[in-house]
Amino acid sequence: AQTVTQSQPEMSVQEAETVTLSCTYDTSENNYYLFWYKQPPSRQMILVIRQEAYKQQNATENRFSVNFQKAAKSFSLKISDSQLGDTAMYFCAARIQGAQKLVFGQGTRLTINP
Amino acid sequence: EAGVVQSPRYKIIEKKQPVAFWCNPISGHNTLYWYRQNLGQGPELLIRYENEEAVDDSQLPKDRFSAERLKGVDSTLKIQPAELGDSAVYLCASSFGALNTEAFFGQGTRLTVV
Repeated sequence: AQTVTQSQPEMSVQEAETVTLSCTYDTSENNYYLFWYKQPPSRQMILVIRQEAYKQQNATENRFSVNFQKAAKSFSLKISDSQLGDTAMYFCAARIQGAQKLVFGQGTRLTINP
Repeated sequence: EAGVVQSPRYKIIEKKQPVAFWCNPISGHNTLYWYRQNLGQGPELLIRYENEEAVDDSQLPKDRFSAERLKGVDSTLKIQPAELGDSAVYLCASSFGALNTEAFFGQGTRLTVV
């Protein structure tokens, strides 16, 4: 079975600081995709960034970047120059060939303080 | 373009009563997911449809939960009878095509069973 684990239930940083959220996953498959989703209080999940397992280069989207370590099955999210609007729950998710379903971690509640 | 639409947004019912949730996915999306999200946790898949076929319903409690996706478009998730432990947010998501495509989520229905 595929599992996704987020070991940080909560994190808090000051505005403009950089923060890194951790995620590990477990799969025996070789072809899969990894995602970070943001869930603000409105409850709607919003895609932040995605990473293809076959790509060695880490994905970046403006202030958001990932550190993908395939051998270690690690997929962390780095938020640079954090903003108040980044306050939300962040979920790591994996979509694995064959199973196809999107499996989520438990989430990290991130608070950006002014 | 309209996103994934769910209704109602909130529902409060007494235990043992039936309840139904409705989802309209993004036009053209062939894959539809229903997730349940307990408070402070990540979403857990209940059922996944490819067009009108339920291809993964292994996590759906079939004694009280049922779902349908008529004509491969809208979907309804039903609980009958509801139990206190069913209180959660029910999320619908849709996607199109390959493994790397993101799933788009609706705002969810918050169910409270009293």
